[in-house]
Amino acid sequence: DAKTTQPTSMDCAEGRAANLPCNHSTISGNEYVYWYRQIHSQGPQYIIHGLKNNETNEMASLIITEDRKSSTLILPHATLRDTAVYYCIVREGGSEKLVFGKGTKLTVNP
Amino acid sequence: ETGVTQSPTHLIKTRGQQVTLRCSSQSGHNTVSWYQQALGQGPQFIFQYYREEENGRGNFPPRFSGLQFPNYSSELNVNALELDDSALYLCASSLGVTPHTQYFGPGTRLTVL
Repeated sequence: DAKTTQPTSMDCAEGRAANLPCNHSTISGNEYVYWYRQIHSQGPQYIIHGLKNNETNEMASLIITEDRKSSTLILPHATLRDTAVYYCIVREGGSEKLVFGKGTKLTVNP
Repeated sequence: ETGVTQSPTHLIKTRGQQVTLRCSSQSGHNTVSWYQQALGQGPQFIFQYYREEENGRGNFPPRFSGLQFPNYSSELNVNALELDDSALYLCASSLGVTPHTQYFGPGTRLTVL
């Protein structure tokens, strides 16, 4: 079973920041937080991952709370092409698999 | 450098038949993972192949089997198809068995009638 809880859906205006929350209250010390997204009818796409520290790459920023029980994915300037289902995943460092939940359906509106 | 490709794109089978789905991994990747995604659900891990050996399996019956070839491409075989096997089947390639990044293909849509 997925170890994360995410809102079912969210809306965001084009050009604004999209902040997607994720709760993972049972996360353990060696588990990473990953974010993937799936645009309609395509395979999931890796976005970013983190363990303890905040992370930023060309796609997004990941903010992990100090107790690591929750995190937020930030898309700084959302575009219509960011409309997708966003999955927050917690995975053990030595595990071979990703356990997906139902994710958050983000709709970016013009 | 080519990405992950899957074939066929769509497939229709009848209950009881067998099906083979194919995946070509990204250049340089030695690991392939397969996932099943039912409508409205997140992908579920089926199994992983690393250097031609199965390395980890999810909660799927033995009629789901796989192969990985020396060029690291892979097949997913499903025997005795059931209606609930209708889903999008995704493969993901990576370098190593516990990578931080898996690269997914576009999937094969299987419909079982």
